[in-house]
Amino acid sequence: DSGVTQTPKHLITATGQRVTLRCSPRSGDLSVYWYQQSLDQGLQFLIQYYNGEERAKGNILERFSAQQFPDLHSELNLSSLELGDSALYFCASSPRTGGNSPLHFGNGTRLTVT
Amino acid sequence: AQSVTQLGSHVSVSEGALVLLRCNYSSSVPPYLFWYVQYPNQGLQLLLKYTSAATLVKGINGFEAEFKKSETSFHLTKPSAHMSDAAEYFCAVSVARAGNMLTFGGGTRLMVKP
Repeated sequence: DSGVTQTPKHLITATGQRVTLRCSPRSGDLSVYWYQQSLDQGLQFLIQYYNGEERAKGNILERFSAQQFPDLHSELNLSSLELGDSALYFCASSPRTGGNSPLHFGNGTRLTVT
Repeated sequence: AQSVTQLGSHVSVSEGALVLLRCNYSSSVPPYLFWYVQYPNQGLQLLLKYTSAATLVKGINGFEAEFKKSETSFHLTKPSAHMSDAAEYFCAVSVARAGNMLTFGGGTRLMVKP
């Protein structure tokens, strides 16, 4: 158990809809990362938050947004969903934003857009 | 920007045989290197990490990897494969100034034959 909790585990929704994925980091970790895993794109970094502030952005679509709350949990919001958004979305956490601490991953949310 | 290439998207070995999973990286600054394993329907679990200390790194489950700067490689090995090693393995790189953000290779699926 990595200590990173993601909910829900599975999500099935229709095109055009909006969903929210939730992540609770390991106790004491201030940094949260979101990744998307799909068969054609592999593991792609989306966005990073550190102690409530956005720190880095990767290949995140404008239809997607995220935030980190004062209690350090994070939410990834996906809107105007398309079939191609179907993927496994991972959240990871680490104690800080610099240095060489490894990321600890949750078990992911599998999103299916029909 | 840093990148990772994993040679061989699928590797098949017999139980008891040597496991060798190849990873080459590209980075303009000294990198931190990681190997993660992903079992079906699970998140990524850290196997081992290289963070500029010893070049031969030992990880969990009998795996080890050697950092070779001259070859820009960080290959993962295990002397004797077990059936339970069947999974997908990801090599990843980060650099200090990128705030722990991991860039992943495409992954190698390891199959172990009885």
